[in-house]
Amino acid sequence: NAGVTQTPKFQVLKTGQSMTLQCAQDMNHNSMYWYRQDPGMGLRLIYYSASEGTTDKGEVPNGYNVSRLNKREFSLRLESAAPSQTSVYFCASSELPGSGNTIYFGEGSWLTVV
Amino acid sequence: AQSVSQHNHHVILSEAASLELGCNYSYGGTVNLFWYVQYPGQHLQLLLKYFSGDPLVKGIKGFEAEFIKSKFSFNLRKPSVQWSDTAEYFCAVKSSGDKLTFGTGTRLAVRP
Repeated sequence: NAGVTQTPKFQVLKTGQSMTLQCAQDMNHNSMYWYRQDPGMGLRLIYYSASEGTTDKGEVPNGYNVSRLNKREFSLRLESAAPSQTSVYFCASSELPGSGNTIYFGEGSWLTVV
Repeated sequence: AQSVSQHNHHVILSEAASLELGCNYSYGGTVNLFWYVQYPGQHLQLLLKYFSGDPLVKGIKGFEAEFIKSKFSFNLRKPSVQWSDTAEYFCAVKSSGDKLTFGTGTRLAVRP
């Protein structure tokens, strides 16, 4: 019973490099999300996808792109990494858009940009 | 836009002490409210949630929270904390659309 799975768990990038964080959920959820967590700032929504084929910007989308490959998978791409993107990234999913359903989180991806 | 405030950034308690963590939100309409916990090095886990009905909700591990609509508050309580409750606690609110907005978190340290 995997839930939400993210890869990689740890990554170090040089400024300007690109990378993709992968996320998959096995709960048949419609909605998926990417958050970043920074000390003293809580979790901030980067992008979300209410259903397969749709994506929307969250609170802090600049410097990121996303792809909702299918219902299971939602990837986050950093095209040209910057030190300000050093953070812990969490993928999450929930059953239905616009509802009160619980959001389930992955275990996080620790990204350092040097 | 909705926002969530957690006024206690760091709380230190001794075991068996009572806990109350404050959470206030700003949104005038119908809200769904959540408390999540993050143990050191782990991902967020749901403690409890309020959608409707009884404003006093009970969650896992002896936690409870009370929704006071007039005060726009959803404070988390536990009568007697344990060392294993050491974690960071996040209040969150979901209103329109499907976005979940988090507070900045409260770090709780429980001394054995």
